[in-house]
Amino acid sequence: GAVVSQHPSRVICKSGTSVKIECRSLDFQATTMFWYRQFPKKSLMLMATSNEGSKATYEQGVEKDKFLINHASLTLSTLTVTSAHPEDSSFYICSARDGGDRGSPLHFGNGTRLTVT
Amino acid sequence: AQKVTQAQTEISVVEKEDVTLDCVYETRDTTYYLFWYKQPPSGELVFLIRRNSFDEQNEISGRYSWNFQKSTSSFNFTITASQVVDSAVYFCALSEPYNQGGKLIFGQGTELSVKP
Repeated sequence: GAVVSQHPSRVICKSGTSVKIECRSLDFQATTMFWYRQFPKKSLMLMATSNEGSKATYEQGVEKDKFLINHASLTLSTLTVTSAHPEDSSFYICSARDGGDRGSPLHFGNGTRLTVT
Repeated sequence: AQKVTQAQTEISVVEKEDVTLDCVYETRDTTYYLFWYKQPPSGELVFLIRRNSFDEQNEISGRYSWNFQKSTSSFNFTITASQVVDSAVYFCALSEPYNQGGKLIFGQGTELSVKP
């Protein structure tokens, strides 16, 4: 089945530094990837839609200058949390759809737990 | 606007009990897709099922079954003879229209705890 690999699984960084999270589709090409954020005991909040070769589409309230998304190839999207602060600590999950239509299920990476100290 | 509601925040059952997780959705689309995902304590999201709006047939997969009723906009999930390994958070999701990106809208999730 379709596999999405997300790296790193955990990262601890100091306040003010930047952190990059990678999301790769291993056995399929993904023109679109989605980045979600999940707070403890909460649902998944869509942050942005990453489109290969073009700018990401951000959801309302998500700071595009803080959460930089790059989708340089059909198998790789990256999320960079710039100048991280403790309130950015969260669980970040990427996903990709294997197939051209929205009926195809999203396959998720294993998530990245970011802790900003 | 699309919306998914999972009214049950937490459910606790004893092993071997049957349990039903409720999901109610709102959409103006005539064509849409519904999904269920499982999130175990390790955090990854596991795809369980997809159903399109034209297929109201119920589905059974082992101990799992799904009841899709368009008349009540519900897509409920039943686990028969629950096991401790079923303990997880379960999310119901609805796909947005394709011209809006086709992203998934998730419900709030139901945390299922199955005790031995």
